[in-house]
Amino acid sequence: DAGVIQSPRHEVTEMGQEVTLRCKPISGHDYLFWYRQTMMRGLELLIYFNNNVPIDDSGMPEDRFSAKMPNASFSTLKIQPSEPRDSAVYFCASRTDRNTEAFFGQGTRLTVV
Amino acid sequence: AQKVTQAQTEISVVEKEDVTLDCVYETRDTTYYLFWYKQPPSGELVFLIRRNSFDEQNEISGRYSWNFQKSTSSFNFTITASQVVDSAVYFCALSSAAGGTSYGKLTFGQGTILTVHP
Repeated sequence: DAGVIQSPRHEVTEMGQEVTLRCKPISGHDYLFWYRQTMMRGLELLIYFNNNVPIDDSGMPEDRFSAKMPNASFSTLKIQPSEPRDSAVYFCASRTDRNTEAFFGQGTRLTVV
Repeated sequence: AQKVTQAQTEISVVEKEDVTLDCVYETRDTTYYLFWYKQPPSGELVFLIRRNSFDEQNEISGRYSWNFQKSTSSFNFTITASQVVDSAVYFCALSSAAGGTSYGKLTFGQGTILTVHP
């Protein structure tokens, strides 16, 4: 298996632009997580899905952030409009069930200028 | 609510020293899982170990060992005879395995930056 695949690996955008991050989880995994990593806040859980249904989005910072999982093999995290403080590395992870370890993608490094 | 605290922000040691990374967790669940991950300078997150709440046996894997103490809600990680290649950020994580609104939620601590000097 190719593992969790995230795209793009790097994204530089101007403040106010819409940004879409993409994730393909490992086939057969029922859980998908979106995390944001910054020096100040560490690894924050933004939202997670179980069987394509959002379970907990309490970590989403504000309404500018939205996430979808239209099917078992694809998820997006969208920021509209983006702001410089959104600059971070965004990780997607998936796991088979609540008891197993999560596998992480390589991350997307987002820079908003 | 669940929470993971890694009080040590940064640790610096000299090669061959032993080092222990602390992890304290909070959860109302009786069934849960604990994890450690390593993030080397290349940036990927690498799974190291999983422990369930019913298994308090310590575990050793080569130079790595883990001490789980339910009484103090701690899951500490020790590296024996540290090496330069151990330099990384280490994360402790907690996952609820019980029912309810937090089932499956995977929460990470802030991470501990470990630097091993030659």
